Amino acid sequence: ETGVTQSPTHLIKTRGQQVTLRCSSQSGHNTVSWYQQALGQGPQFIFQYYREEENGRGNFPPRFSGLQFPNYSSELNVNALELDDSALYLCASSSQGAPNEKLFFGSGTQLSVL
Amino acid sequence: DQQVKQNSPSLSVQEGRISILNCDYTNSMFDYFLWYKKYPAEGPTFLISISSIKDKNEDGRFTVFLNKSAKHLSLHIVPSQPGDSAVYFCAASIYYGNNRLAFGKGNQVVVIP
Repeated sequence: ETGVTQSPTHLIKTRGQQVTLRCSSQSGHNTVSWYQQALGQGPQFIFQYYREEENGRGNFPPRFSGLQFPNYSSELNVNALELDDSALYLCASSSQGAPNEKLFFGSGTQLSVL
Repeated sequence: DQQVKQNSPSLSVQEGRISILNCDYTNSMFDYFLWYKKYPAEGPTFLISISSIKDKNEDGRFTVFLNKSAKHLSLHIVPSQPGDSAVYFCAASIYYGNNRLAFGKGNQVVVIP
């Protein structure tokens, strides 16, 4: 059974650029959630995908968008990068409706925006 | 708007002693609470949870207490071990299968051998 994997592990971009982060969900999971963890803060919910559609969104602007693919893997896209987008981006997978304890996180992608 | 608050960002404790981490929340809709543990370069991993219908849940060395009227919960680790050195996050959800968690800022725990 493979866990949640994210790529790349580290990324450096400049302000105004666009970035795509990738996540492979744990085997058997059909729901993917994305979180942003800024330095010194806890993870903040960005959005969740289920059946290839957005299924709930946190307080993030539209330049944060995502995709879920038929194999349940997912992408997080951020357009027009800002300095404040520098953070650890965490992907978590689960089965829809499963208890919160069954939410499994990847190790994250550390994004630095210069 | 921080709906889950963890004060005292860091805690140092001697091995074998008790570690107590506190968490407060503001949203009355929260119905389910979890603690996560995070090591550097790893994602958060689930530690223990509690439903709002309970006031205590115990799992080995870890106990979580919930005071719903005060909107306060705490995590007790006893005895603390060096492997417990990590960042601990308190998280809350509006129901147990929601998977959309609101996290606190975390507490750095250092257990001194």
